[in-house]
Amino acid sequence: QQQVRQSPQSLTVWEGETAILNCSYENSAFDYFPWYQQFPGEGPALLIAIRSVSDKKEDGGFTIFFNKREKNLSLHIKDSQPGDSATYFCAASANSAGNKLTFGIGTRVLVRP
Amino acid sequence: DAGVTQTPRHEVAEKGQTIILKCEPVSGHNDLFWYRQTKIQGLELLSYFRSKSLMEDGGAFKDRFKAEMLNSSFSTLKIQPTEPKDSAVYLCASSFGQNTEVFFGKGTRLTVV
Repeated sequence: QQQVRQSPQSLTVWEGETAILNCSYENSAFDYFPWYQQFPGEGPALLIAIRSVSDKKEDGGFTIFFNKREKNLSLHIKDSQPGDSATYFCAASANSAGNKLTFGIGTRVLVRP
Repeated sequence: DAGVTQTPRHEVAEKGQTIILKCEPVSGHNDLFWYRQTKIQGLELLSYFRSKSLMEDGGAFKDRFKAEMLNSSFSTLKIQPTEPKDSAVYLCASSFGQNTEVFFGKGTRLTVV
């Protein structure tokens, strides 16, 4: 059973649109939620992260909205560009588990010019 | 800028062979992780070391997978014997510690025929 679920599996948007990626989790102990971006042939790289004490985190055109009660979060990519085409992974870790990350299956985003 | 270095980048093995994948973490990092990445399962944790001590060895992967951390700057993942279902990308990652950025290598693509 996936502890971290992502949807949709793939998403196509036009350049300039906002892409919305969803993530939900099971484990109430999770308190740190990074999003990773991966390009073909590369390893995942940290994009933006939020801790469970916050409900929103912004960095450039990327925003995380977090709902602790509902155990879900979303990543908004504002003004999407073709260079944002990549696979995005939602991850989670619990304070008690060191820095071990549990990953979702990923959302493949394609931004069409 | 020395990130996480993985060698080889590609490996082709025959069923039943023993293969060893190598990883050099970011200098000074205390945590080291091995993940397996497939399209169907996403990123699955194989092993987690903290300050060279094995914290987690990924349950289902205990059988034929063995990760070692010989010193703080080098780790290996041995798969013995290999099976076609082991074909995947194997990612090594490292971090300073709790809730800090996890840096990934570019991965080793293993094909078992």
